[in-house]
Amino acid sequence: NAGVTQTPKFRILKIGQSMTLQCTQDMNHNYMYWYRQDPGMGLKLIYYSVGAGITDKGEVPNGYNVSRSTTEDFPLRLELAAPSQTSVYFCASSSHAPGAEQFFGPGTRLTVL
Amino acid sequence: AQSVTQLDSHVSVSEGTPVLLRCNYSSSYSPSLFWYVQHPNKGLQLLLKYTSAATLVKGINGFEAEFKKSETSFHLTKPSAHMSDAAEYFCVVSAFGNNNDMRFGAGTRLTVKP
Repeated sequence: NAGVTQTPKFRILKIGQSMTLQCTQDMNHNYMYWYRQDPGMGLKLIYYSVGAGITDKGEVPNGYNVSRSTTEDFPLRLELAAPSQTSVYFCASSSHAPGAEQFFGPGTRLTVL
Repeated sequence: AQSVTQLDSHVSVSEGTPVLLRCNYSSSYSPSLFWYVQHPNKGLQLLLKYTSAATLVKGINGFEAEFKKSETSFHLTKPSAHMSDAAEYFCVVSAFGNNNDMRFGAGTRLTVKP
């Protein structure tokens, strides 16, 4: 049981490049989330999904896109990378039960130069 | 809407002494409250959560927190700090039943001195 896995662990992008951050969970959770964590700040929600085919914006969605074609996978797409997207990105999943714990992946550290 | 304020950005204690990490919350609805820990270069791990049951919540590694509605607080405590407790701690609030709107505090960095 691997939990939530993310790839890659680290990435450096040039301004204007695109990339996809991968996230997979093996707990059969309906809900999945993408957060970013900036230095000295808490996590901010980018996008979330309540099930395959259903996604919605969080607090800071600009510059990102997501898709959810399966229960297990929830990739995050960065189009036209900007320095402001330099951050650590965390994927998480949870059941739909009220007050359910979110399980986090190990994170992807992204630098845009 | 929900928000959370962690009152200390950095707390330093000596090994074997008590730990107190302070958290105040604001919520328009009955809140769910969580404490997560993040060790360096790792993901977040749940320490404990409050979801409208007992107000004193016990978590892993000897941590506990008390929900005080009158004070809108959810402070995290541990009687005796261990070196392995050194990490970043996040207080999190969500409206009960709304898993999609969790609001994180800015974090408190706990340092444990030998």
